[in-house]
Amino acid sequence: GENVEQHPSTLSVQEGDSAVIKCTYSDSASNYFPWYKQELGKGPQLIIDIRSNVGEKKDQRIAVTLNKTAKHFSLHITETQPEDSAVYFCAASIRDDKIIFGKGTRLHILP
Amino acid sequence: GAGVSQTPSNKVTEKGKYVELRCDPISGHTALYWYRQSLGQGPEFLIYFQGTGAADDSGLPNDRFFAVRPEGSVSTLKIQRTERGDSAVYLCASSLMAGAVNEQFFGPGTRLTVL
Repeated sequence: GENVEQHPSTLSVQEGDSAVIKCTYSDSASNYFPWYKQELGKGPQLIIDIRSNVGEKKDQRIAVTLNKTAKHFSLHITETQPEDSAVYFCAASIRDDKIIFGKGTRLHILP
Repeated sequence: GAGVSQTPSNKVTEKGKYVELRCDPISGHTALYWYRQSLGQGPEFLIYFQGTGAADDSGLPNDRFFAVRPEGSVSTLKIQRTERGDSAVYLCASSLMAGAVNEQFFGPGTRLTVL
C-alpha cells in the first residue's frame, strides 16, 4: 500500500522567515496530495491541496510543489507568523481513495 | 454553524471493557470517516461510510472494532474487549460526498485511554 514519509519531524523558524516541509510517497498511482494543519486539541484542517496533473499551487503565503518523477511534494510557508505554529501533515491518496497521512511536522515560530 | 462533533471528548476505561464513540457529521454530508491518531503520529484510516453502508473498512485493525451508521448520519465506533494498545485519539471526519478530493472536515476527536 501507499507509504508517506515526512520530514523534518520538528522545525523551528524565526517569525517572518520561510518554512519548508518535505514529503515523499511510494505509490506512483497516487494522484491527490492534501496538506493539513492540526492545532492542539483539534482535528486536522485542510489548508491546501494539489492534484497530480499540476506542479505547483499557491494560496497567499502557502505554496505546494509536486515532483511526480521523484515522488516528492513540499509545503512552503512564507513570512511566517506566530499563528502558523502547529503540526502539519502531508498526505496522499491513490485514485481518489482513502487518504494516507505522514507522521507530521511540529512547526515552531520563534518571536 | 455546527461542525463535526464527537462524544465523549475523553473516555477512560479498563482493559477488557466495551466502549462506544459517537460522531455527529455536518448536516448533509453523505460520507463519514473514522481515523485513529496515536501520539506523535498522523491519523490512520480505519473505515469510511457512504450513506449507511461501509464503503471501505480495510483499516479496522481486527474484529474487535466495528462501526455503524444506521440512518446515514450519526456514526458509532464500537470497540470490544479493549486493550491498552487501543489508547489513542479517535477522529471522525465528514465530507459532502465520498472521494479523497472532497474536503474532509474533522471533529476534535475522542481521547480513549485504556488502563
